[in-house]
Amino acid sequence: DQQVKQNSPSLSVQEGRISILNCDYTNSMFDYFLWYKKYPAEGPTFLISISSIKDKNEDGRFTVFLNKSAKHLSLHIVPSQPGDSAVYFCAASERLGAQKLVFGQGTRLTINP
Amino acid sequence: NAGVMQNPRHLVRRRGQEARLRCSPMKGHSHVYWYRQLPEEGLKFMVYLQKENIIDESGMPKERFSAEFPKEGPSILRIQQVVRGDSAAYFCASSDSRNQPQHFGDGTRLSIL
Repeated sequence: DQQVKQNSPSLSVQEGRISILNCDYTNSMFDYFLWYKKYPAEGPTFLISISSIKDKNEDGRFTVFLNKSAKHLSLHIVPSQPGDSAVYFCAASERLGAQKLVFGQGTRLTINP
Repeated sequence: NAGVMQNPRHLVRRRGQEARLRCSPMKGHSHVYWYRQLPEEGLKFMVYLQKENIIDESGMPKERFSAEFPKEGPSILRIQQVVRGDSAAYFCASSDSRNQPQHFGDGTRLSIL
């Protein structure tokens, strides 16, 4: 029962272009969403989050969009840089109850020079 | 400004032995979460603790696994009588409240011989 899905295992983007990573969820109780970036042999690093009362949140080169009716969120990185090459995880949690995060399987982003 | 500290980074155990994984949260954080990541998968929630209390253990296997977060000292994830299937990366995260992003340590990689 995969409640959070990242359907693209990998994505390759040219340096300077926009990277778009996608995430779908099935649980309508989710109302807080996060993106994490992970390098090999390190822990996930928090990037950006969005609550369900918003449809967009921006922080520097990173923008997260939330479409509640479609149960879909996306992370835009622009412009993409070589240091952005990593595995990106989307995660979701319910406001009520314990704050456990449900993670997607991850998308490996490669930025080509 | 130390982040979440986990030790050991790597732990090798033989089948039937006990494994103890330690996590010191970020300074000022009183909420601790444990996650497990199997190869090529996303992180899976195990347990959520506050000082001296288990808040949500819905992701913990019913047998052999236990967790604590004492008043003094780090949080401990304990796995008794380890089996090959326990081989994974175990990540700890902390936050300063239930509505703030979780920040992760670099994990403990557990290998069972």
